[in-house]
Parts: sequence; C-alpha cells; structure tokens
Amino acid sequence: QKEVEQDPGPLSVPEGAIVSLNCTYSNSAFQYFMWYRQYSRKGPELLMYTYSSGNKEDGRFTAQVDKSSKYISLFIRDSQPSDSATYLCAFNTGGFKTIFGAGTRLFVKA
Amino acid sequence: ETGVTQTPRHLVMGMTNKKSLKCEQHLGHNAMYWYKQSAKKPLELMFVYSLEERVENNSVPSRFSPECPNSSHLFLHLHTLQPEDSALYLCASSPSDSGGSTDTQYFGPGTRLTVL
Repeated sequence: QKEVEQDPGPLSVPEGAIVSLNCTYSNSAFQYFMWYRQYSRKGPELLMYTYSSGNKEDGRFTAQVDKSSKYISLFIRDSQPSDSATYLCAFNTGGFKTIFGAGTRLFVKA
Repeated sequence: ETGVTQTPRHLVMGMTNKKSLKCEQHLGHNAMYWYKQSAKKPLELMFVYSLEERVENNSVPSRFSPECPNSSHLFLHLHTLQPEDSALYLCASSPSDSGGSTDTQYFGPGTRLTVL
C-alpha cells in the first residue's frame, strides 16, 4: 500500500465551481497536514497547513483532516482560472522529511 | 534576486557528461533540500543539509553528489546519469535547523534535466 494516494486528475471545472481535492494516507504517525500549489514552470508553494483533525479556513480555501479515516481534503470555493495549477498534499511527522502526494492537476475554465 | 533561485533552468546532457546544478537562497534559512520530481510521481526527497551538514540522504545513487559550501548555496553534481534520471530537480530551503511541521519549505523554480 502506498503511503499517500492522490488522484492525478486532471480535474476540469467551470469558473465559480466548488472544487474538492483529496488524499488518503496510511501512516498513523503523520501529525501535520499540508497542501501545496504548483503552477506550471514554478516550484511548489505552501497553501494551507493544519494539525490534527478538523477544518481550517483561509479565504476561499478550506482544509479538512479526518485522522480516523486517514483522509484529507482541500476545498476551493468560487474557483477562478488563476486557481489552475497542480495541488500536492503533503505530510510530516516532524524533522526534515515531508512526504508528498503525486499531485492533482486542476483546470478552471473561464 | 529574492527567494530561491536555481540555475540552469533547463539542461540537456549525455550519459557520459558531468554537469552541476546550482541553488541559491536569499532568505537567510538554515536548511536546504534537493528533490526530484518526475511526471505523475510524488516529489522524492534526495538530500537535506542543515547548517551545511548533510542530515538526510535517501538512498540516492552515487551518480548524484551534493555539495553545500555555505548556508546560502547548494549544488548537485551529476555524472554518468541514465535516461530515467530525466526529471525536474527542485531545490528548497527552510528557516529551521531542525526541521519540523511548521518549518515551511520555500521552493525554487527547478531545473528541467533531460538525459539523452
């Protein structure tokens, strides 16, 4: 079983739609849950960070963690063409090692 | 220059060539990282340096050789690579000298490497 599973997409939605991106993981030691956004020809940038189960909201973005199901989600409300990018889930147990998902490619059509 | 810069942005090399990738961070961070990003695969951590000492080495083949001469610069020396080494090589830096969940990594734009 892979440590992290993430659907690569691509996911194509119309402008204004609500987007749901998801990852599952198998390592119970993961305590810190992150979402990175990577635009074409750029490096990833940290978008959201959460610790433990629950929700965290930042503008149009909501990160959700369900540790009992080993499942994390990122919701994007009122999606914009500028949200078109690859979204990577990431997990850390402390220390320097961060485990990344393969990324979901998102296209938001105007 | 701001943030994390990487040169060259694109590199094509033969299997017998020797080349180097360069990373520079202008953020005053203590840790620097090399990652490999292949199509439809997760980022693979290759090496981590903290305060110029290597702290992570994830079973990377010896044809990849990192060098960290100071806390602002990181190199990846390449020799006798294979076609399957073609990928995007990303450099990152983070503030902490001990890592951790809240130690945000800042990535450079990457070097797109093609091995013929």
